[in-house]
Amino acid sequence: ETGVTQTPRHLVMGMTNKKSLKCEQHLGHNAMYWYKQSAKKPLELMFVYNFKEQTENNSVPSRFSPECPNSSHLFLHLHTLQPEDSALYLCASSPSWRGNTGELFFGEGSRLTVL
Amino acid sequence: ILNVEQSPQSLHVQEGDSTNFTCSFPSSNFYALHWYRWETAKSPEALFVMTLNGDEKKKGRISATLNTKEGYSYLYIKGSQPEDSATYLCAPSGGGADGLTFGKGTHLIIQP
Repeated sequence: ETGVTQTPRHLVMGMTNKKSLKCEQHLGHNAMYWYKQSAKKPLELMFVYNFKEQTENNSVPSRFSPECPNSSHLFLHLHTLQPEDSALYLCASSPSWRGNTGELFFGEGSRLTVL
Repeated sequence: ILNVEQSPQSLHVQEGDSTNFTCSFPSSNFYALHWYRWETAKSPEALFVMTLNGDEKKKGRISATLNTKEGYSYLYIKGSQPEDSATYLCAPSGGGADGLTFGKGTHLIIQP
């Protein structure tokens, strides 16, 4: 139990589908993140939210649309994805106070396959 | 974009042997260096956070050192066990809540 829960754990979707990934954290953190793990690549930071405000969009295509309704929940809405978007999507959270070390607490990830 | 290098990319070690691997990172704008262990089908788990040059941290058979002036950190595993098999990730941090930039990791396999 990491305190960060992601659903679904596995998702298969067609290129025309619309689906969403959900992340929930029970750690009282105010910053939440989406990372992408593709084969043979390092973890790539996609989006950062601090106190529900998006503070970073790391040049992510618009077919990925994040939503952060409150500090405990983070969504990644998926629309007209491509097969190369198949990857493991990891959610993380962290404290947001100035001077913290930046340590992240991860969920177990959502494995996405785009057909 | 931070350039974080980890070597080797993969490593096979006999059970009982000791091993070590490296993380190198830009030394500018440094606040902390993080090591994570990522086992298959689990979430990445924080191992160490180090902030000071010369820091050495230890958790059981695993230890890490930090050199912020030259921008590198070593992770050591003494007497490797099968449960040490995992990918070990490092990430430098400028502090705050900007997210971490990870290296590609060292994939460690312990052979019985």
